[in-house]
Formats: sequence, C-alpha cells, structure tokens
Amino acid sequence: GAVVSQHPSWVICKSGTSVKIECRSLDFQATTMFWYRQFPKQSLMLMATSNEGSKATYEQGVEKDKFLINHASLTLSTLTVTSAHPEDSSFYICSLPVGQGSGEQYFGPGTRLTVT
Amino acid sequence: GQQLNQSPQSMFIQEGEDVSMNCTSSSIFNTWLWYKQDPGEGPVLLIALYKAGELTSNGRLTAQFGTTRKDSFLNISASIPSDVGIYFCAGQLAIWDDKIIFGKGTRLHILP
Repeated sequence: GAVVSQHPSWVICKSGTSVKIECRSLDFQATTMFWYRQFPKQSLMLMATSNEGSKATYEQGVEKDKFLINHASLTLSTLTVTSAHPEDSSFYICSLPVGQGSGEQYFGPGTRLTVT
Repeated sequence: GQQLNQSPQSMFIQEGEDVSMNCTSSSIFNTWLWYKQDPGEGPVLLIALYKAGELTSNGRLTAQFGTTRKDSFLNISASIPSDVGIYFCAGQLAIWDDKIIFGKGTRLHILP
C-alpha cells in the first residue's frame, strides 16, 4: 500500500493567490521529508528538505519566502506556494526517506499545480 | 554541482525485446537507486544498490552498481507493454545525507 499521500492531487489557482499542498507519511514517523518540483518532460529537482520541528533547508535558487514549508508533526509536511505565478505551474512531489543512511526514498503521488 | 548522465534519453523497442540503460557520474556514490515514473504519478522504487559491484534482480529487472562507484546500469528483459514509462537513476552521495540526485531519465516506448 501507499506509504506517502499528497493532497490535493491537482489544483488550479489564479495568479497572486496561495496554494497549500499536504504531504502525509502513512506508515512511518517522518522527521525529514523532501519536496521536489518536476517540469514537463524533465527530471525531479529537489527544492527543500522539510525538518520536523525546525526550519526547512532550501536548495540553492529556491526562494524560501515563496515556497513556505511547515513540518509541524511527524506525519505531515506542507508546502505553500505563495503569490503564485504561471511559471510556478509544475508537478510537486514529496518524498520520505525510509532507509537510515541508505538514500532510499518513497515518493508521494504528486500534486499538479496550474496557475492561470 | 554533481550530475548524473543517464542514457539513452529515449528508447523505442518492440514488445519482447531486452532493454538496457545506464547512468554515469564523475562523483562517487554511496547508493544507486532506480525508479520508474508513470505519467501523472510519483516515482516508484525498483531497485536499490548499496555495494560496489553489487548485482540485484527484481523480476525481469536487473541492476548493477559499478565497481568504481561512479556508474550503474539497469536491464529489463522481455519487455511488456506495462514497462512503458520513464526510468530514472538516482544516487546518494553521502551516507550521512538522505538527499539523492536524479538523472534526466530514459523514456521507454514500446511499438505496437
């Protein structure tokens, strides 16, 4: 069965509005989760590492004030895209590392964001 | 930054054919991972490799961790229609960091 769920699976919003995407760990306690972005026909690019109870760590070039990450519990991380623009339209995927030190990650089903 | 060079970019094959794809890097990796992604879904882990030289199978899939720790290949034998999708290699650089980096993917198409 699924290890990671995401909600919503797709969302359409207007430019300038904010959108929140939820990522839930179903079977594991998650002190760390990852957020990726994937543009059409491209690979997954890591945006940030979500840390339970502390600030997220953002990859170079990712605006932390635009992509707000909250990891308030061991089963839930949220990504809020603030003041969305059409260029933020993408497939957002979260993942959960499950093998201590192994690098293995289980991915959520993704959220398709379209900004009009 | 570190890069994974994955090839081929795409493949068009007949059902029943064997498939081979690989990833190389100038960096040494602690772990190599192979994922498959279907349209509109998240990647699914196929095979994880932990030791240099390791050869691991998962059904019709076989993957190997190169002896230099800088490359890996994935083979699919006797392809079937449900093998269609994008295959990504991914590597973990450091054992203390769960972050992984992805190759650009290999798109597998099966001709009717």
